[in-house]
Amino acid sequence: GAVVSQHPSRVICKSGTSVKIECRSLDFQATTMFWYRQFPKQSLMLMATSNEGSKATYEQGVEKDKFLINHASLTLSTLTVTSAHPEDSSFYICSAYRANTDTQYFGPGTRLTVL
Amino acid sequence: GESVGLHLPTLSVQEGDNSIINCAYSNSASDYFIWYKQESGKGPQFIIDIRSNMDKRQGQRVTVLLNKTVKHLSLQIAATQPGDSAVYFCAEKVGSGGYQKVTFGTGTKLQVIP
Repeated sequence: GAVVSQHPSRVICKSGTSVKIECRSLDFQATTMFWYRQFPKQSLMLMATSNEGSKATYEQGVEKDKFLINHASLTLSTLTVTSAHPEDSSFYICSAYRANTDTQYFGPGTRLTVL
Repeated sequence: GESVGLHLPTLSVQEGDNSIINCAYSNSASDYFIWYKQESGKGPQFIIDIRSNMDKRQGQRVTVLLNKTVKHLSLQIAATQPGDSAVYFCAEKVGSGGYQKVTFGTGTKLQVIP
């Protein structure tokens, strides 16, 4: 099956610092990856679409300068939360799109806590 | 299927009974629907999907029904087991390939009573 990993699984940081989250497709190449955010007891909300070799497309209301996305290879996309604040504390989930199955495969999520 | 509020609807079901989880969607252009299961602290897990040219699809212990007239989707789980306890999301997909967009519904928490 298609496997997507995220690293780290949990991270705690101080307010004002930056945190990088990695999303990797382990056994397939993904030209497109997606980043979602999920607050407690809420649904997943799409933040941005990450395309390999080009700029990410952000959803309305998501600050691109705060949530930096880099998709430098066909198996890795990174999300950097810059100058994190407590309100950025959330569960961040990525998915990777596999073209031959036309399916998004989801990672296990990263729990970010900003103190 | 917009995410709302801080309280997930909860469905409590006795082990062995059938579960029915409902979902309403809003986008008439959606042509593909997916049900996901999310256990606590984990990413969503694909359960079953259905295209808009179908009204029913069956998998192992699960059935999805689609009523396009009223924009309603349901997930039926037969002989519910404790391992089925999780939050279930319906999702609608618009677009294709790398330009697709998957929008998740509010979610329903399924509690299985042993």
